[in-house]
Amino acid sequence: QVQLQESGPGLVKPSQTLSLTCTVSGGSIRSGNYYWTWIRQYPGKGLEWIGYIQYSGSTHYNPSLKSRLIISLDTSKNQFSLRLRSVTAADTAMYYCARGGYYCSTTSCRLDAFNMWGQGTRVTVSS
Amino acid sequence: QSVLTQPPSASGTPGQRVTISCSGSSSNIGSNYVYWYQQFPGMAPNLLIYRNNQRPSGVPDRFSGSKSGTSASLAISGLRSEDEADYYCATWDDSLSGVIFGGGTKLSVL
Repeated sequence: QVQLQESGPGLVKPSQTLSLTCTVSGGSIRSGNYYWTWIRQYPGKGLEWIGYIQYSGSTHYNPSLKSRLIISLDTSKNQFSLRLRSVTAADTAMYYCARGGYYCSTTSCRLDAFNMWGQGTRVTVSS
Repeated sequence: QSVLTQPPSASGTPGQRVTISCSGSSSNIGSNYVYWYQQFPGMAPNLLIYRNNQRPSGVPDRFSGSKSGTSASLAISGLRSEDEADYYCATWDDSLSGVIFGGGTKLSVL
């Protein structure tokens, strides 16, 4: 049974960089069948897709975060990570990593269902 | 404010049938699959319906999804107290080139 587990600091100061890691167990992150994804949930409950990385290293980010965001992969540790720089209070949220399927047409590929989620890690941006 | 519109709350009594709507546009629901996630307090969301109307293994057939045009619905029949949770719709948006979520619907079983 594949499991995902987020880790990282729960408190980050404004203007600093938020770094989180998702460790995948029970399966290989090298599987080409999934998009490894970050999603966050604000205190008011709203969910926001952050971005994903494929086994090949190819990434796709939410345009609203693209200028501050890097998602990377460490296959030797079966992990993928998120780095979000210049954080503000608006980045305070529960951060989830998730495994997403995908489907492709003749012109593009799109995320399919998020069929596995980590338990989430709460991040507060405050001085 | 979410691109996908859901009612903030819904309710029903045990045994009833409840539907939760999700309204979008031609660039999202109108041209892509819809997904539904169930979330209990303090827990991560869990996939309930994928590709408009498909249930993952383990999801009871009391849960069903449908899509028509730029709207989708989740129906729960034979409502049970354990169905009390938040429900979110999601889909791909061609304009954003990414996934978008509805604002969520809190279901209460009275």
